Amino acid sequence: RKEVEQDPGPFNVPEGATVAFNCTYSNSASQSFFWYRQDCRKEPKLLMSVYSSGNEDGRFTAQLNRASQYISLLIRDSKLSDSATYLCVAEYYGGSQGNLIFGKGTKLSVKP
Amino acid sequence: DAEITQSPRHKITETGRQVTLACHQTWNHNNMFWYRQDLGHGLRLIHYSYGVQDTNKGEVSDGYSVSRSNTEDLPLTLESAASSQTSVYFCASSPSVPPSSRTFFGQGTRLTVV
Repeated sequence: RKEVEQDPGPFNVPEGATVAFNCTYSNSASQSFFWYRQDCRKEPKLLMSVYSSGNEDGRFTAQLNRASQYISLLIRDSKLSDSATYLCVAEYYGGSQGNLIFGKGTKLSVKP
Repeated sequence: DAEITQSPRHKITETGRQVTLACHQTWNHNNMFWYRQDLGHGLRLIHYSYGVQDTNKGEVSDGYSVSRSNTEDLPLTLESAASSQTSVYFCASSPSVPPSSRTFFGQGTRLTVV
């Protein structure tokens, strides 16, 4: 079974804190990885793709360790607006097509 | 601007009734997906389509059907609604070629079966 596992949280942190989310995936055939953000009662939206070399987008840093089948997301200098659920996603390629497998999400609450 | 829209946004229906949820995208994407999201389960794939006349079953397809007669639309039908199908339903679309970093979701349909 193809699965993506995340700590559900919630993570309750003060503004300005650094917070890290971890995720593991079970199928080594996974090809691409993403972090999505989902606000309460809204649709998921792509936050960032995750590359083997690690990648950064402002206050957000994503890392991928293929050997350990492990993905992480680091948020520095947390803002109130970062409060949301963060979904770890692995993509499996079937032939020429991709299929997304979602983790259950990690809830972040940033407090003043 | 291109978009993906779902309708209705909210629906209450009775057990046993047939219900159809609409999904329409103007991205001209070949791939379309239906997910349901429930507390404790995350997003689970119901059905998906890689193009016109193509449909495939996902992880939780029992009690659901889809049809793809054009590129823009993938309606989801609940043949005989059950209380277990009370959920939030999301439609998504993506281009043909992975990676799916250009997958976009509709705003969701909140369905209650009473």
